[in-house]
Amino acid sequence: NAGVMQNPRHLVRRRGQEARLRCSPMKGHSHVYWYRQLPEEGLKFMVYLQKENIIDESGMPKERFSAEFPKEGPSILRIQQVVRGDSAAYFCASSPPESKATQYFGPGTRLTVL
Amino acid sequence: DQQVKQNSPSLSVQEGRISILNCDYTNSMFDYFLWYKKYPAEGPTFLISISSIKDKNEDGRFTVFLNKSAKHLSLHIVPSQPGDSAVYFCAASGGSTLGRLYFGRGTQLTVWP
Repeated sequence: NAGVMQNPRHLVRRRGQEARLRCSPMKGHSHVYWYRQLPEEGLKFMVYLQKENIIDESGMPKERFSAEFPKEGPSILRIQQVVRGDSAAYFCASSPPESKATQYFGPGTRLTVL
Repeated sequence: DQQVKQNSPSLSVQEGRISILNCDYTNSMFDYFLWYKKYPAEGPTFLISISSIKDKNEDGRFTVFLNKSAKHLSLHIVPSQPGDSAVYFCAASGGSTLGRLYFGRGTQLTVWP
C-alpha cells in the first residue's frame, strides 16, 4: 500500500515564476491537507480539501496561493509569482473520512526561490 | 498564536534510558492529540495518538499520557534507542477546526550510546 506521494521532491524557481506542487493521497483516503514548514518552525496548516471541495482554507495566504483536489488526479498546490519568502518545505497529508482520523504525511516538496 | 507548545527545543538521553517529551496546549476544544517523528529531509511519520476520552495510550516502546486539566501531554519512549534520534512534533485537533492539525515547534531528541 503506497503512502502519500508528493512531487517534485525539490523545486527551484526564480522570483515571479509559478510553482506547482502535486500530492497523491494514500489509497482509500479522500481528505487531503497541505502544510508549510519554515526553517526552525513547526508545520503550519494551509488548506484542507476533499474531492472537488475546499473545506478549510483559513491557513492559505490571501494572494498568490491556491489549491485544488479534482475528481481525477492529484491535489495541486499552486503558488503564483513566487517570492523568496515562499521558500519552505511543503507537506501534504491524507486521511480517511473519519472525523478523528490520523493524518499521514508525504515526503514533502522543498521549494527554493532564487 | 501558538496553541500547541513544546518548550524544550532539545533533549539528550543515553541509550536504554527513558525519554520524556512534553507538550502543552491552550485550546480546551482540542480532543485528539498525536505525536510525529521527523528525520531531516523527510515527512513526519505518525507515532501514536490519544483521544481526550483516555488518559493513556501505549504502543510498544511508546506511551502517551494526557492530563486534560493541566492541558498537558507527554510522550515516553522506553527504552530509548539511537534510531529514535529525530525531531518529535506534538499535534492537536478538535473543536470548530475539524481536520486541521496544530503543531508544536518540535523537540530534537538525541539518544547517545
